Formats: sequence, structure tokens, C-alpha cells
Amino acid sequence: SQQGEEDPQALSIQEGENATMNCSYKTSINNLQWYRQNSGRGLVHLILIRSNEREKHSGRLRVTLDTSKKSSSLLITASRAADTASYFCATSSNYQLIWGAGTKLIIKP
Amino acid sequence: DAGVIQSPRHEVTEMGQEVTLRCKPISGHDYLFWYRQTMMRGLELLIYFNNNVPIDDSGMPEDRFSAKMPNASFSTLKIQPSEPRDSAVYFCASSDGVLYNEQFFGPGTRLTVL
Repeated sequence: SQQGEEDPQALSIQEGENATMNCSYKTSINNLQWYRQNSGRGLVHLILIRSNEREKHSGRLRVTLDTSKKSSSLLITASRAADTASYFCATSSNYQLIWGAGTKLIIKP
Repeated sequence: DAGVIQSPRHEVTEMGQEVTLRCKPISGHDYLFWYRQTMMRGLELLIYFNNNVPIDDSGMPEDRFSAKMPNASFSTLKIQPSEPRDSAVYFCASSDGVLYNEQFFGPGTRLTVL
């Protein structure tokens, strides 16, 4: 079952702008991961943040985690057309992986 | 490594037929996952294996679905008999170490049941 929730469900921005998407979850977690899915492809792992971490960077990606609010955000800076994809968060707890419904990101040239 | 390999990439079959989807995980990975993705239901975890043993099959929709992992390099997901509502993209993924490590996904099998 999918208990993670991303918002917004869809996001359309101009190339060069920053994109922020959020993920909320319901139970305590071991870690939280973000994945990207290009149309017609499998998911690709972007970044993992552990429950004792608050922020993590990878290239143009910045992920924050607020365990008190049970939420995470993914920021993509200086967006590019190639960033057009769906983005999913996945949380792990009690030997379960729980996936969100995804945010569809469209970068307009 | 070639990554996770799935076959076939596309499958079109008629209702009532048996469908078998295949997956070869990344060598050395001891976790294997089967997912189903549809527009309506999103990404659903069907079953996962650890060291070839099924650990959690609570996501398998019904008895028509079965999955096996006879060895560390091969797994199958079988649907018998297939129904139109089984139409979806089925992904296989693998990971190593612990359950919540990074997962590597295959390209998926797009199944259409007519």
C-alpha cells in the first residue's frame, strides 16, 4: 500500500527555475529515498537521507527531512528540460518500503 | 554489470492466457522486488525476496499471481489466468545489504491483456 504522499501531484515550471516537491509520511522511518522516473522507464535512485540527517545535497538536488513533521522536500535547482520526469519518495520502516504516488514535473523550455 | 534485466519488454495476450515475466537481478544483490505500476493505483509492491526466499507477498493481488526465485540470478512472476485489469507495467528491482538500501530497477515489462 502507498502511504507516502507527495505534493504537488503535478508541477510545471520554466527552465532555469527551482522546483520543490514534498513528501509526507505517517510512521517513524529508517530512511527516506527519492527516485526519478522518466516516461516509459524504470525508476532511478536519486538520494537517500537517513532518519538522523536533516539535509543532504547531491549536485543540483537538495533534500531535507523533518522527522517531527514527518515530511521531506526535494529541491531541484536551476531546472533543465531533462529534469522532466515523475519523482517518487519511498520510506522504510519495520522492514517495509512505502512508496508515494509521485509528483509529475514538467520543465518548459 | 548490465543492471537488472527483464523480459519480455512488451507482452500482449488474451484474457485467460498464462503470462510469465522474467527478471535477472544484479549479481550479488540479495533482495529482489516485483512491482506493478498503473495510472490508477500508482506503484505497488507485489512481493519481495531475500536470499531467494519470499519474505512479504502481501501485495500480491490474488491467487492468480505467483512468484518464484529458484536461484540468486533468476525470478519469475506468473499470472494465470490473466485478466484485462492485470494490464500494467511490471518492474523488477534488486538491492543489496539491507531492505532499505537503494533499489535498482529494471526497464519494466508492459503487459496488455485484451
